[in-house]
Parts: sequence; C-alpha cells; structure tokens
Amino acid sequence: ETGVTQTPRHLVMGMTNKKSLKCEQHLGHNAMYWYKQSAKKPLELMFVYNFKEQTENNSVPSRFSPECPNSSHLFLHLHTLQPEDSALYLCASSHYTGTSGNTIYFGEGSWLTVV
Amino acid sequence: RKEVEQDPGPFNVPEGATVAFNCTYSNSASQSFFWYRQDCRKEPKLLMSVYSSGNEDGRFTAQLNRASQYISLLIRDSKLSDSATYLCVVNPYNTDKLIFGTGTRLQVFP
Repeated sequence: ETGVTQTPRHLVMGMTNKKSLKCEQHLGHNAMYWYKQSAKKPLELMFVYNFKEQTENNSVPSRFSPECPNSSHLFLHLHTLQPEDSALYLCASSHYTGTSGNTIYFGEGSWLTVV
Repeated sequence: RKEVEQDPGPFNVPEGATVAFNCTYSNSASQSFFWYRQDCRKEPKLLMSVYSSGNEDGRFTAQLNRASQYISLLIRDSKLSDSATYLCVVNPYNTDKLIFGTGTRLQVFP
C-alpha cells in the first residue's frame, strides 16, 4: 500500500466542468507537491506546499487551483480546463528539512482526460 | 539549456547485458541527485540516491561527475524486469523543488 493516495484514479471532464483531485499522505511528511506528466514530456512541477504554505507556483494557469488545508492533504481544483490539460497528475510528498537529499514519494496518479 | 537532460532512448539490450545512462544538469551548484524508475502507466519510484563518492546497490551503480555536471547509472546483468523508464532527478536550488529529466527508456529482451 502506497503512503501517498490519490483520488480519483481516472477522471473525464468537460471543458466547462469543475472537479477536484485529492491527495493524502500517511508518511508524516511536511512538503507536498503536484506534478503534471504529459506524453513525451518530463514531469512538470506545478505547486509545492511546505507546512501548508505554498512555496512554489511554477507559472501554472489559474484554471488550476491548489489547496492545502493541512500537511497531510492536498487538493487540485480544476475549472474550465482545455483538452491539452489532459495528462497524468501526480501528487508527491517529502520530509523537507532545509538541506539537500530531499527524497519524494509519489502517489499512483490521477489520469485526467478533458473532452 | 534544459536544467536536466537525458537521452530518451530507447535502449534495447539483451538479458545479461550491461547498460549505462548519462544525465547532464545545468546548475553547477546542485547538491542532490537521484535516479527514479517509472514503469509504464505507473508512478515514479526512487531507485537510488547519487552520492559524491559514487554508490552501488546490487546490480546498480550510480556515479556523479561534478566537473562535467553529469550523473550516470550503470546496470549490470540486465533482467527483463529492469525494462522501464529511468528518470534523472536533480535538486538544483537546495530547496523543496526537484527537477526531473524526460527519462531514458530501457527495454531488455530475452
């Protein structure tokens, strides 16, 4: 059983829909991440939260809205997405201590299709 | 220049072969380096960290060359189960942000 769980695993949504992806980590970590993985492209870092505070927004369009209510939960709210937003969305967590050697652990991902 | 660059492959090798992948990084101040493995339609999983002195884990050996800004992964005695995409990962800013390469695809055939 993975220490980072994501729901739903698969999501199909229309361009006018509003949906949310949920992530929960059971590892006692303080940092959580959203990554996007599209075909033939590297994983793209979207957002980073450290102790519930957002420390990174990697120029992500506002149609993606993250929420981190506590160190164990992370959401990605989706609104008026485009077909090119179809991808695998990966949540991850780590125990970031302010030094190097930061290993992150991924959830199984949410496959998103925008139609 | 990309922050992390890898040859996408694929590398097609027979069982028992030795195969090596390289990865270059652009930020000379980077301190942390990792290799992750990603199976088809699965999440990436940590394979091994890369230490300055080089490190070995069974059939896998990782090396870091700071002067030339690259890391390498050597797989000896390849198994069919080694078939996957190998992702080079760098922490260029010593923060909570990791940068991934596009990955190198390895296919081991019988």
